[in-house]
Amino acid sequence: GENVEQHPSTLSVQEGDSAVIKCTYSDSASNYFPWYKQELGKGPQLIIDIRSNVGEKKDQRIAVTLNKTAKHFSLHITETQPEDSAVYFCAASNPPNNDMRFGAGTRLTVKP
Amino acid sequence: DGGITQSPKYLFRKEGQNVTLSCEQNLNHDAMYWYRQDPGQGLRLIYYSQIVNDFQKGDIAEGYSVSREKKESFPLTVTSAQKNPTAFYLCASSIWTGSLSGANVLTFGAGSRLTVL
Repeated sequence: GENVEQHPSTLSVQEGDSAVIKCTYSDSASNYFPWYKQELGKGPQLIIDIRSNVGEKKDQRIAVTLNKTAKHFSLHITETQPEDSAVYFCAASNPPNNDMRFGAGTRLTVKP
Repeated sequence: DGGITQSPKYLFRKEGQNVTLSCEQNLNHDAMYWYRQDPGQGLRLIYYSQIVNDFQKGDIAEGYSVSREKKESFPLTVTSAQKNPTAFYLCASSIWTGSLSGANVLTFGAGSRLTVL
């Protein structure tokens, strides 16, 4: 089955700097890669996703890149703000069951 | 507002007791899921259901049971057979897009924290 690894487990940056979180997956059949943000005491919320027919996607300060050959994808947050502080999860989904496999999470702290 | 509601938010259980966590959605989503979250381990799939009256085991189904009698509801029972039930439980739902597309955007509830005393 699919295995998703996520690095780093914790990340601390200064406000205004960029943050990068990386994930690798094992199943080449995976074709959907979402990123979720989880704030303390809440459920995860989708912030951006990418499908396997696209190499990069951007939404304001957030971007995701996908390298299918290497089986890794990354989340890039530019101009970080204190409200970006949260736990971020990557995930991979593949047919036929569409069940999602999550990385272990990255706790991002943005220092003002 | 459409959304997914989990209750209770906090639950305490004595060893040997079964407890049931509620999950209700009004998004008209076909599929529903239960995940368990432990520190440093991300989210692990317990059970999922694509349609009413049907569900499949995830990676860690032992000690858990579910039912899907209504499209809107997917309750999870943590039985006494679950050896380490203290965790944060997340319910999610999605439109079932079918196996070919392989993409299911999950909407999560706020979670239920279960503590075994």
